[in-house]
Parts: sequence; C-alpha cells; structure tokens
Amino acid sequence: QKEVEQNSGPLSVPEGAIASLNCTYSDRGSQSFFWYRQYSGKSPELIMFIYSNGDKEDGRFTAQLNKASQYVSLLIRDSQPSDSATYLCAVNHQTGANNLFFGTGTRLTVIP
Amino acid sequence: DVKVTQSSRYLVKRTGEKVFLECVQDMDHENMFWYRQDPGLGLRLIYFSYDVKMKEKGDIPEGYSVSREKKERFSLILESASTNQTSMYLCASSLRQMGQPQHFGDGTRLSIL
Repeated sequence: QKEVEQNSGPLSVPEGAIASLNCTYSDRGSQSFFWYRQYSGKSPELIMFIYSNGDKEDGRFTAQLNKASQYVSLLIRDSQPSDSATYLCAVNHQTGANNLFFGTGTRLTVIP
Repeated sequence: DVKVTQSSRYLVKRTGEKVFLECVQDMDHENMFWYRQDPGLGLRLIYFSYDVKMKEKGDIPEGYSVSREKKERFSLILESASTNQTSMYLCASSLRQMGQPQHFGDGTRLSIL
C-alpha cells in the first residue's frame, strides 16, 4: 500500500464548476497535509496546507481534512482554465528531516 | 518569498560523464532535498540533508551522491551518468520544524545521451 494515494485522473470539469480532488494516506500519525499545483513542465507550487480536522478556505480553494478517515481533499470553486494542472497531495513523514510523502498527482483539466 | 534556485533549467550530458546539479536557497532553511520526477512515478526522494555536512539517503540513492558544504547550497552529483538518469530533477528546502512545507526550485531537465 502506498503511503499517499490519489486518483490519477484525468479529471475534467467545465469552467465555473467545482473541482474535487481527493487523497488518502496510510500513516495515522501524520499531522501536516499539503496541496501542490504543478503546471506541465514546471515545478510544484504550494497552494494550501492544513493541520487540523475540518475545512480551511483560501480564496477559491478549500482544503478538507478528516484524520479519522485518513482523508484529505481539495475543492476548487469556480474553476478556471488556468487551474488546469496536476495537483499533488503531500503528507508529512513522522521521522526524518521533515520529509514528505507525495502522491503521484491528479491531473485536472478545466474545459472552457 | 522563499527562493530556491537551481543552476540549470536544461542540461544535456553524455553517458559516463560526472554531472553536477546545484541548488541554492536564500531563506536560511535547515533542510534540503533532491527529488527526481518521472511520468507515472511521481516524485522520488534521492537524498536529503538536515544540516551542513549531513546527508541521508532517500528512496533511490543509487548512482548519486550529494554535498552540503554551506547551509544554503546542496549539490547533487551523478558519478557516472547513465541514460536511465534522464529525468526532471527538483531541489526543495524547508525549515527544520515538523510540519513545515517544502519549497521547490524550477527544476533541471537532464538528458543523458
């Protein structure tokens, strides 16, 4: 079982819709959760982080965390074509130098 | 803002060459990381360092070595480049405290011919 699992997609949504990206993780001791956006040919860019159960909102983005279910999600409201990218979920490692486990990413396409 | 700078965006080298990839961060981060990213395989950790002159193997260290002589600089060395090391290489840094995010450089797309 992989430490972090994401649906690889691709996920296609129409412009203006809500995109929902999901991630599950295996280490119950994980405390920190991150979402990165990666445009094709570019490096990952941090867009959200969440540490506590519940929702965290930042503009059009909402991160949701449920530690009991070991599940973290990212909602993108009013999706725009510029949101088309691969989204990586990352979860902290309990040991080591603040290492992160990364999922393989979900590719999102927003259709104009 | 955190700035992580990788020395080259694109690099072409020949099989058997010794290759150096350089990474510099300007935020006084203790931790630095080297990943490679290949289609379908995601990010794979090669080496990381949590202090000057300290290094730890990641998931795929074979064929690579690293050097960290100064806090801001972390170098990845391909001792004898092979074609299966053609990849996107990403450097990242973070603060020491648990739960801190990693910040990435722009990446180096390395081709070994």
